[in-house]
Amino acid sequence: QSALIQPPSASGTPGQRVSISCSGSSSIIGRHTTNWYQQLPGTAPRLLIYSNIQRPLGVPDRFSGSKSGTSASLAISGLQSEDEADYFCATWDDSLNNYVFGSGTRVIVL
Amino acid sequence: QVRLVESGGGVVQPGRSLRLSCEASGVTFSNYAMHWVRQAPGKGLEWVAAISYDGSNEYYVDSVKGRLTISRHSSKNTLYLQMNSLRPEDTAVYFCATGGTGSGGHRGGFAYWGQGTLLTVSS
Repeated sequence: QSALIQPPSASGTPGQRVSISCSGSSSIIGRHTTNWYQQLPGTAPRLLIYSNIQRPLGVPDRFSGSKSGTSASLAISGLQSEDEADYFCATWDDSLNNYVFGSGTRVIVL
Repeated sequence: QVRLVESGGGVVQPGRSLRLSCEASGVTFSNYAMHWVRQAPGKGLEWVAAISYDGSNEYYVDSVKGRLTISRHSSKNTLYLQMNSLRPEDTAVYFCATGGTGSGGHRGGFAYWGQGTLLTVSS
């Protein structure tokens, strides 16, 4: 079981806003920044959000990240069909000297 | 553009060894920490190992310590994963990915990913 807990799924209709949570302990999310990855079916993951809130070049501003205490969140506004994918939060764990991925959330566009 | 190309996957019997490679182009390889991440069929992402930008530090998930070794060859722009004593639970697609730059780069986000190479451990 991952040290970063995500809901297994989230869904919405096109145009809606969907939010995904990522919960961890103070030794994990509380100490380092959180990154988010999107994995479309059959493809490699891509970095969606880094350092809690930053978007790499090319990532639409419909995607936004936030962090509060020991939880991080990814929001997708104006949901589109191409957003149907798996989303993973991740961060560095100092206690294990490991990088840790969340359990993953599948976003379904209804 | 940045390109990471993994190779070396295949079908191998339990207990055998294999080496994965990841060749980087379009990026100053020696500036970046590098990672291996794997994904078992139908499962989520699992971080496997990381190596600092200069190769001086290595990090591993507990389940592979003592069996897998990450290394890099900067003049060849290539990352490796030597895998010994393979187990069926090592069956996965293995991705290489770039970390951050500098001494803390192994903690950063993974900006670039390869397409992955499939390893199947089965008798």
